[in-house]
Amino acid sequence: KAGVTQTPRYLIKTRGQQVTLSCSPISGHRSVSWYQQTPGQGLQFLFEYFSETQRNKGNFPGRFSGRQFSNSRSEMNVSTLELGDSALYLCASSLERWDTGELFFGEGSRLTVL
Amino acid sequence: QKEVEQNSGPLSVPEGAIASLNCTYSDRGSQSFFWYRQYSGKSPELIMFIYSNGDKEDGRFTAQLNKASQYVSLLIRDSQPSDSATYLCAVGDSNYQLIWGAGTKLIIKP
Repeated sequence: KAGVTQTPRYLIKTRGQQVTLSCSPISGHRSVSWYQQTPGQGLQFLFEYFSETQRNKGNFPGRFSGRQFSNSRSEMNVSTLELGDSALYLCASSLERWDTGELFFGEGSRLTVL
Repeated sequence: QKEVEQNSGPLSVPEGAIASLNCTYSDRGSQSFFWYRQYSGKSPELIMFIYSNGDKEDGRFTAQLNKASQYVSLLIRDSQPSDSATYLCAVGDSNYQLIWGAGTKLIIKP
């Protein structure tokens, strides 16, 4: 059974650019959630999607957005990149609600903003 | 601001001893509690979850929940060098948000 796949794994951008990250969940999983991880900050919740609808959203500015497609694949977009956006972005999938079951994480997309 | 707090460590424990990891949370209405392990350069993976007060055991791991005192702990018995990792506590709060602690780095010394 394939795990959660995130692409790209590494990317370097400059301030002001935008970036799109992709996440393919485990087959059959309908919930996809996104997290930002930085040293010392731990995992910060960005948003969660279920059946193409955003169900939950963390405290991030509007520059951070996402969507989910009918096949449960999800994308997140960060516009007008800032230096502080440099982080590991993790995607996790689960069968139903993310808060009652096991989250399966992808290996992450490491974004560096110069 | 709902918070989940963990001692960042590092917590150093001799091989074979019991490692005790603690986590406190601020939202008294929290209902679900999770422990994830994250090896350096890897993604988090779920070790245990607990919903009710008391202890829950799974192999060498025991999760303990005390809702009155708002803390959850993870005990690792017979610690092995392979247990060296960062342990993340996550709490499902009353608004169905999952709040994460910053993690405790555990080092098991042979």
